[in-house]
Amino acid sequence: DARVTQTPRHKVTEMGQEVTMRCQPILGHNTVFWYRQTMMQGLELLAYFRNRAPLDDSGMPKDRFSAEMPDATLATLKIQPSEPRDSAVYFCASGPGTGRQETQYFGPGTRLLVL
Amino acid sequence: AQSVSQHNHHVILSEAASLELGCNYSYGGTVNLFWYVQYPGQHLQLLLKYFSGDPLVKGIKGFEAEFIKSKFSFNLRKPSVQWSDTAEYFCAVIGSGAGSYQLTFGKGTKLSVIP
Repeated sequence: DARVTQTPRHKVTEMGQEVTMRCQPILGHNTVFWYRQTMMQGLELLAYFRNRAPLDDSGMPKDRFSAEMPDATLATLKIQPSEPRDSAVYFCASGPGTGRQETQYFGPGTRLLVL
Repeated sequence: AQSVSQHNHHVILSEAASLELGCNYSYGGTVNLFWYVQYPGQHLQLLLKYFSGDPLVKGIKGFEAEFIKSKFSFNLRKPSVQWSDTAEYFCAVIGSGAGSYQLTFGKGTKLSVIP
């Protein structure tokens, strides 16, 4: 049963620290998405990749967030420096890259708390 | 830009009651529509999706949704809910722009089923 995996599942850190979240997409999927979920804003798309190339990262605060795909099996989302308002659940999703008719499969999320 | 509205923030039902959750989208072109469910503490899972064809779509766990193009709606239904359906439900849309992969989510509807 292929699944998207994310690490860590939970992260508590202090303001100003760097946070790195990792995602392993489903093998063979070539689109990867990062979403942030908060009570106030709901689910927001931060960035997405196709074939490891960033297609859109307009949802990310550029000064502190960065997203990369060093290889096809790993996507990372970094926050540096972190702020309390970054506290949220960050979901990674992957898809087979068939465009509009693809289903995105979500990972379990990283629950981040910045103190 | 596309947007999704879910009218009910929180719905409380008794077991065996019928369910209908509203979803309206705003987009001028062809859309693909999805309902995802998030059980407490878990990741998003796909319930059902509509791409084309029969506007009445059946999903997992007895859920169905009807796409009404004239009303820009994609309401989720279940004839008889169970306590295990307690979860948050998200409607989402992908528009028809070239290379469009972005899922736009509604704010979600929390369903509480009372035994």
